[in-house]
Amino acid sequence: GAVVSQHPSRVICKSGTSVKIECRSLDFQATTMFWYRQFPKKSLMLMATSNEGSKATYEQGVEKDKFLINHASLTLSTLTVTSAHPEDSSFYICSARDRLNTIYFGEGSWLTVV
Amino acid sequence: GNSVTQMEGPVTLSEEAFLTINCTYTATGYPSLFWYVQYPGEGLQLLLKATKADDKGSNKGFEATYRKETTSFHLEKGSVQVSDSAVYFCALSDGPGGNKLVFGAGTILRVKS
Repeated sequence: GAVVSQHPSRVICKSGTSVKIECRSLDFQATTMFWYRQFPKKSLMLMATSNEGSKATYEQGVEKDKFLINHASLTLSTLTVTSAHPEDSSFYICSARDRLNTIYFGEGSWLTVV
Repeated sequence: GNSVTQMEGPVTLSEEAFLTINCTYTATGYPSLFWYVQYPGEGLQLLLKATKADDKGSNKGFEATYRKETTSFHLEKGSVQVSDSAVYFCALSDGPGGNKLVFGAGTILRVKS
């Protein structure tokens, strides 16, 4: 079946640096991808909706300049956490929608900022 | 706004026990309701869904019925297996096209042999 792959699955970075997380749809074209964040014992919170070839639509309260989303092709969206701080440490997960409107989730990425 | 509340875990059961994971929602309109499952080291997978009131979603022995009167979508399974150990997320659709999902916090299920 369809697979969405995220990379890296775990990353540790120093405070003040930037880190990029990739989300790839491996066997289908995804015109829309979604980025979620999960805090410990909390719901998955939608951060932004990423449409191929256009700017991402961010949810209220999500800093556009901090969480840069690029959806340059139909199979790849990237989330870059800029100038990361310890409070950005979290579980980030993406999903991708295929042309039949079915959504598939990636495995998620654990970010730790030290 | 729309929200989903599900029971806190972890839920620990013995093999072949009956499972219920409660989920209630708050929503305007008529959302679709979903249960997703996340096995260790994997992404979320759609387990079942229901798109209108009184619909019953079912898959792999799991069932959930869309109850509009109680705004609930409880997940049940008659006899759990060790392989059912995972995190279960209740969710509703939110927004045009029904693909903007609002999730509950997730419930960890541990099944002991």
